[in-house]
Amino acid sequence: DGGITQSPKYLFRKEGQNVTLSCEQNLNHDAMYWYRQDPGQGLRLIYYSQIVNDFQKGDIAEGYSVSREKKESFPLTVTSAQKNPTAFYLCASNPGDQETQYFGPGTRLLVL
Amino acid sequence: SQQGEEDPQALSIQEGENATMNCSYKTSINNLQWYRQNSGRGLVHLILIRSNEREKHSGRLRVTLDTSKKSSSLLITASRAADTASYFCATDAWDYKLSFGAGTTVTVRA
Repeated sequence: DGGITQSPKYLFRKEGQNVTLSCEQNLNHDAMYWYRQDPGQGLRLIYYSQIVNDFQKGDIAEGYSVSREKKESFPLTVTSAQKNPTAFYLCASNPGDQETQYFGPGTRLLVL
Repeated sequence: SQQGEEDPQALSIQEGENATMNCSYKTSINNLQWYRQNSGRGLVHLILIRSNEREKHSGRLRVTLDTSKKSSSLLITASRAADTASYFCATDAWDYKLSFGAGTTVTVRA
């Protein structure tokens, strides 16, 4: 079954805690993306990676970090510096020779 | 930054009616795409229209693009309950990224 998986579906963060959201794809796609979606709003780009071991900041990178050590994996860490992390986080990938993006099911992050 | 802006924000129609939503954007683009999002789910790509195209069809979907006005419209014909979702336009400006609008929420009443 090919696709993008995100885990967990729900994640709870305590004050001052770093949490990591997982994104895995078995589509052999080169590019991967992380978006944040707040209620009633569109998607805002956090980070993206066009190739392994390389990534760029998106529009709202502050308080977040990523790594791209493997082609199939692009984890996102929400650090304690992100003061308003409650949101729906979406991961996407793109094969590189097409413009469309394929999305995972999302992770909802809530603050305790 | 969010380049696309959809209009209206919300739309409620009867099953069988057509739904039309619009997207405006600010800068020159390579292509414009429409995505659908069911509540609490990821986005699904619907259709892509390139900057040198004016109209495109896919099943019950019709997309138009007017680059002189920097606007696009998505028409869903003969709507069904399963079309209830949020619809987003996204612009590709040759920079390997997509910029999404805030979306139009469509409710199809049975």
